[in-house]
This record gives sequence, structure tokens and C-alpha cells, in this order.
Amino acid sequence: NAGVTQTPKFRILKIGQSMTLQCTQDMNHNYMYWYRQDPGMGLKLIYYSVGAGITDKGEVPNGYNVSRSTTEDFPLRLELAAPSQTSVYFCASSYSRPDPVFEGYGYTFGSGTRLTVV
Amino acid sequence: GEDVEQSLFLSVREGDSSVINCTYTDSSSTYLYWYKQEPGAGLQLLTYIFSNMDMKQDQRLTVLLNKKDKHLSLRIADTQTGDSAIYFCAEKDGNNRLAFGKGNQVVVIP
Repeated sequence: NAGVTQTPKFRILKIGQSMTLQCTQDMNHNYMYWYRQDPGMGLKLIYYSVGAGITDKGEVPNGYNVSRSTTEDFPLRLELAAPSQTSVYFCASSYSRPDPVFEGYGYTFGSGTRLTVV
Repeated sequence: GEDVEQSLFLSVREGDSSVINCTYTDSSSTYLYWYKQEPGAGLQLLTYIFSNMDMKQDQRLTVLLNKKDKHLSLRIADTQTGDSAIYFCAEKDGNNRLAFGKGNQVVVIP
């Protein structure tokens, strides 16, 4: 049981390049999320998905796109990389059921992708 | 949206207790969480509290919730060097999304 797996762990991009951050989970969680973490800041929600085929914007969606074709995978796409997108990106997943047993598990996070745009 | 506030830095001697505080704004939050982030790692769930509780104890961790003041705290008893990390509080909204504070960096001095 691997949990949430993110690839790559590190990446350097040039301004204007594009890339996809991969995220996959094997826990059959229905909800998945992408956050970015900037130094000294908390996590900001970029996009989230409540199930396959359904995605929605979070607080900071500009410059990003997502898709959710399967329950397991939730890739994040950067089309035209900008220096402001230099950050650490975390993918997470969770159940969503009105059951305290599931609430106790909270979110499961991946180990992050450190992206630098130069 | 929710706005979760945390102070930024705390140093504590090994063996002492640490207390980390957090305030939140969404009075309808049903669950509040504490996460731990070690250097270079993702966030790990430490504990959570349901909004109808005032206190929850889990081994060395004690969570206190003051709903009237929207104040959440985490006490770590007998702090160890392995407790050095950034600690985030988070509240859950009605759409199952978590809003995180900026985090408290805790440094444990041997």
C-alpha cells in the first residue's frame, strides 16, 4: 500500500516551458487535492476533485490545469511556467463520508514535488 | 473562505512542554486538525478534534478547543528532538476542503 505517490520529486523548468506533475493514490479515495506551499506560508489549494470526471478550482488555480480520468490519478499541468510558480507542490487524497472513522484519517499527503522556474 | 492564523516560531528545551496556538474563523467547521511536516517531507496527520469536544488527549498530545473564541491549541508533553518540525492547524469546510494556517516551526533544543 503505497498511499499517495508524486513524481517527479524535483524539477527545474525554464520560463514558458510546460510540464505535468503526476499524482496517484491506491487507497480508493474519492477526493483528491493539489496544494502549493511557498516558504513561510501555509498550503494554498490549487484544484481539487470529488471523483473521477469532476474537478473544481481552489484558491489559486491560475496558470494550472487538472484532469481526473480515473479514481487513482490526478495530474497537475503547468502550461507556461512562470517564476511565480516556483514552489513545493503537494498532492493529497481523502475519503468524504459523514463518518467519524474516516474523519480521523484526514488527508493523506504525497511527499511533494519541488519545482523551480528560472 | 476560511482564515487560519498561527504564530511562526517556537523553541523549546528537550523534556519541556510545547504549546502551539491557532485561531480560525469558520464557526461551522466540524473538524479541526493538526499536521506535522518534517524537513523535505509531506504533511502527516497528528491528531484531530471534533467541534463538539473541548479536549482530546492522545499520548503526549493534548488538543484544546475553545469554540467561543475559535481558538485551537496543541500541547506536546515531554518534547523530544524528533518533535522538531513545522506544525499546521487546519479546518475543514462544508466541501471537505482543508484550509491551513501558515504553520509553527518548533525547534527542540537538546
